[in-house]
Amino acid sequence: QKEVEQNSGPLSVPEGAIASLNCTYSDRGSQSFFWYRQYSGKSPELIMSIYSNGDKEDGRFTAQLNKASQYVSLLIRDSQPSDSATYLCAVFTGGGNKLTFGTGTQLKVEL
Amino acid sequence: DADVTQTPRNRITKTGKRIMLECSQTKGHDRMYWYRQDPGLGLQLIYYSFDVKDINKGEISDGYSVSRQAQAKFSLSLESAIPNQTALYFCATSDAPGFNEQFFGPGTRLTVL
Repeated sequence: QKEVEQNSGPLSVPEGAIASLNCTYSDRGSQSFFWYRQYSGKSPELIMSIYSNGDKEDGRFTAQLNKASQYVSLLIRDSQPSDSATYLCAVFTGGGNKLTFGTGTQLKVEL
Repeated sequence: DADVTQTPRNRITKTGKRIMLECSQTKGHDRMYWYRQDPGLGLQLIYYSFDVKDINKGEISDGYSVSRQAQAKFSLSLESAIPNQTALYFCATSDAPGFNEQFFGPGTRLTVL
């Protein structure tokens, strides 16, 4: 089992819709969770971080964390073509003192 | 100005050559990291450093070495490059211990022929 798993996609949504991106992780001791956006050929850009169960909203982005289910998600409301990118889930495990990345989900927002 | 810079941005080299990739940051962060990214494999940690005197191997350190010349500078060397080291290389920095929000440089695209 991979430590951090994401569906590779592509996930296609129409412009203006809600995009839902999901991530599961294997280490119950994981403490911190991050979402990065990466455009093709560019570097990952941190867009959301979440540390406790529940929802965290920032503009059009909402991160959701459920530690009991070992599940973290990212919702993008009013999706725009500029949101088309690969979204990387990253999980920090203090015991291992490392940040583990998923392989990413490609999102395509269609006009 | 970019907070994390990498040089060179692109490099083509031949098998057996020694290559150095450089990373500099103005964020004032103590922690620095080197990752490589291959299509479909995600980001893999090569080496990391929590301060100038602290260097640690990551998941895939074989064939690589690093030098932390100062708080702001962290270099990655390929002693004898091989074609399967062709990849996109990223430097990253972080500050807060325990939370590890990492900030990435623009990347170096390395091709080994």
